Amino acid sequence: SQTIHQWPATLVQPVGSPLSLECTVEGTSNPNLYWYRQAAGRGLQLLFYSVGIGQISSEVPQNLSASRPQDRQFILSSKKLLLSDSGFYLCAWSVGGSGQETQYFGPGTRLLVL
Amino acid sequence: AQSVSQHNHHVILSEAASLELGCNYSYGGTVNLFWYVQYPGQHLQLLLKYFSGDPLVKGIKGFEAEFIKSKFSFNLRKPSVQWSDTAEYFCAVNRYSGGGADGLTFGKGTHLIIQP
Repeated sequence: SQTIHQWPATLVQPVGSPLSLECTVEGTSNPNLYWYRQAAGRGLQLLFYSVGIGQISSEVPQNLSASRPQDRQFILSSKKLLLSDSGFYLCAWSVGGSGQETQYFGPGTRLLVL
Repeated sequence: AQSVSQHNHHVILSEAASLELGCNYSYGGTVNLFWYVQYPGQHLQLLLKYFSGDPLVKGIKGFEAEFIKSKFSFNLRKPSVQWSDTAEYFCAVNRYSGGGADGLTFGKGTHLIIQP
């Protein structure tokens, strides 16, 4: 069966520091991968998605970037964190290509920028 | 751009009461529709989904939802709730992408509390 891992689970970082969040998926090949963020009082917002190694699409211009160095690894990064980057970050995966795909979510990383 | 609206942000019910959570979306094309649930301390997990066919779909734990295309709605229902249904519920939509990937657009969520 497929599983998705995210780490760290919780992170407290000072403003201006770099960020690296990692997501890995097991038990499937060539998944579509997604990063979402949930800020306080708001729904989940899509940040990036990837359909393959090195292929990244950005949905919202921001202080963050994403990379996919391996088939089942998706990394969310920032060179300098802002206070507004605080939130709950979720990674998700799907497979298909039929246009009718279900996304499955990881446990999330809670980021607090001080 | 598409958007999803969930009508109630907080709902409090007693056990055995009936539940209906509203969800409306704005997008004129073909869509896929989902309800996700997040129980306290757990991952976001799929409750049910609609892709095509019968507009009344059944999910886990006795939940069902009805897609009404003319109303752009996908309301979630359960005839008799249990204390264990206490959770955050999210409605989500994505466009039928014809083979590509497409992210989900989520509503802001409904926090459901079931009182024993």
